[in-house]
Amino acid sequence: GESVGLHLPTLSVQEGDNSIINCAYSNSASDYFIWYKQESGKGPQFIIDIRSNMDKRQGQRVTVLLNKTVKHLSLQIAATQPGDSAVYFCAEKSGGNQFYFGTGTSLTVIP
Amino acid sequence: ETGVTQTPRHLVMGMTNKKSLKCEQHLGHNAMYWYKQSAKKPLELMFVYNFKEQTENNSVPSRFSPECPNSSHLFLHLHTLQPEDSALYLCASSFHRDRNTEAFFGQGTRLTVV
Repeated sequence: GESVGLHLPTLSVQEGDNSIINCAYSNSASDYFIWYKQESGKGPQFIIDIRSNMDKRQGQRVTVLLNKTVKHLSLQIAATQPGDSAVYFCAEKSGGNQFYFGTGTSLTVIP
Repeated sequence: ETGVTQTPRHLVMGMTNKKSLKCEQHLGHNAMYWYKQSAKKPLELMFVYNFKEQTENNSVPSRFSPECPNSSHLFLHLHTLQPEDSALYLCASSFHRDRNTEAFFGQGTRLTVV
């Protein structure tokens, strides 16, 4: 069945350091991946996405890496700021409309 | 602001009450979703609508009844809920399945069943 999970439930980093959040998936047919950020009291917000024909995609301060061989996805946040503190979810889709979500990693940025 | 609006933001209801959650989007999306978010659990997909037609129902109890009158509006009618139904209910929308684009989420309705 579908399985999207995160390696660590919580992550604490110092302000200014880089953060890496990892995600594993089990469906080799997944062809589209998204990272979402959810702040307290809000709905998930899109951060960055990547299609399966790519290995890496960069946005503003964020980079997503996709390793299809080991079915692994990561989100890198450069120069982490207090405003980055939130829960981060990965999601994947393999055709159809259903997005499968992981449990989330709670990122805390220490000033 | 994602363009997906949910009302109400908070709802407290008794187990014998009937209430409805509303979701609205004007992004031109033609797929809409209801998700349930409980603590320490992944987002659980409840229902999917494509072009107003329900295409997914993930074994959701009948006390939850969705309605999609048009591509811009989605409702979740609640009846005879249980305390374990207390959760954050999230609405999302996206383009149809054939386009790999992200889903946009609303702010959610925090539901408490007493």
